Amino acid sequence: GQQVMQIPQYQHVQEGEDFTTYCNSSTTLSNIQWYKQRHGGHPVFLIQLVKSGEVKKQKRLTFQFGEAKKNSSLHITATQTTDVGTYFCAGIQGAQKLVFGQGTRLTINP
Amino acid sequence: EAGVTQSPTHLIKPRGQQATLRCSPISGHTSVYWYQQALGLGLQFLLWYDEGEERNRGNFPPRFSGRQFPNYSSELNVNALELEDSALYLCASRLGQGAAYEQYFGPGTRLTVT
Repeated sequence: GQQVMQIPQYQHVQEGEDFTTYCNSSTTLSNIQWYKQRHGGHPVFLIQLVKSGEVKKQKRLTFQFGEAKKNSSLHITATQTTDVGTYFCAGIQGAQKLVFGQGTRLTINP
Repeated sequence: EAGVTQSPTHLIKPRGQQATLRCSPISGHTSVYWYQQALGLGLQFLLWYDEGEERNRGNFPPRFSGRQFPNYSSELNVNALELEDSALYLCASRLGQGAAYEQYFGPGTRLTVT
């Protein structure tokens, strides 16, 4: 079945450093969504990418969708302690099925 | 607008018994998803209900079941509980059938099997 792999599983950075998490699918995705989950909380929707090669920005966060629509990345510039949490990508195959990656847990040293 | 609500917040059950978890979606949302999140792991898709029908299920045994009521609220039942069922169970709702709509998650039910 469809798999969505996310790397790295963990990432620890110094505050102010950049952070990137990568998401790869075994099949072509129609859309990809990104969620953030704070420790002890629930996932919160960040963004959705639809078009091949699409790039979207939210302040210090940059999201990319690969040309082949099989991979995606989330890049955070100059991390802040508020960025701590686990970031999940979720790929959509066809019209209905949403498959989550395993998540990347980001911790930050202030 | 109220978000997705789940009850109970915590549930402790002995092995072999049954657990019932409840979810109320955001008003107007017809799709409800259930996920299992074991400690330190990602979200594993359990079940998807829309308009009162089960539309899809993940790779879980039949003892995981549920239903969706006419008011679109949903119930997840886990029978014959096993220790490895201990996890956070998240419910999410979505407006419309298309998966392109974002999912709104509830706070979850923490199930502990003893």
